[in-house]
Amino acid sequence: KNQVEQSPQSLIILEGKNCTLQCNYTVSPFSNLRWYKQDTGRGPVSLTIMTFSENTKSNGRYTATLDADTKQSSLHITASQLSDSASYICVVSFRYGNNRLAFGKGNQVVVIP
Amino acid sequence: NAGVTQTPKFRILKIGQSMTLQCAQDMNHNYMYWYRQDPGMGLKLIYYSVGAGITDKGEVPNGYNVSRSTTEDFPLRLELAAPSQTSVYFCASMYRGDNSPLHFGNGTRLTVT
Repeated sequence: KNQVEQSPQSLIILEGKNCTLQCNYTVSPFSNLRWYKQDTGRGPVSLTIMTFSENTKSNGRYTATLDADTKQSSLHITASQLSDSASYICVVSFRYGNNRLAFGKGNQVVVIP
Repeated sequence: NAGVTQTPKFRILKIGQSMTLQCAQDMNHNYMYWYRQDPGMGLKLIYYSVGAGITDKGEVPNGYNVSRSTTEDFPLRLELAAPSQTSVYFCASMYRGDNSPLHFGNGTRLTVT
């Protein structure tokens, strides 16, 4: 059973609009939750890292939230741009176990003009 | 800094052939990882290393081998290629455990026919 579930699997949004991506996880106890952006044909790039005690973190137009009680996180993209077209991957770090990470399958976002 | 460099970018192998995927980082990171990414799936950990001379198996190590003779290099060896090893392989590195960002290379796309 996948320990990190992301939704929606894919979405198409108009340039300039906002969108929110969801991540639910079952990893417990966890150390931190990360969001990565992966452009087609490239490796993932870190957007945010939140520890279990943080509930929001921003990186430019990207804002991640974390609710450790309900084991949910979201990534909000504000005023989307064509360059935001990518896969967004939610990653949860186990608190014990040599920095083991559980990866979600990603949210595929396509921004159209 | 070049970051994490992977070579080759693409490779086609015949069943039973061997090859080494190269990975090098110039950030003096202790932790290094090999992942594979299959279409529609989350990244799966193959092997990891917490320092020179130390390696350990991840979730899907069968059919692969690694070595870590220096801090900079972490090659991944496929001894007898099988079609199931067709995938995109990513090498990643991290300065230390816990809340450090993971830096990825741009991947090696391997096809075994």
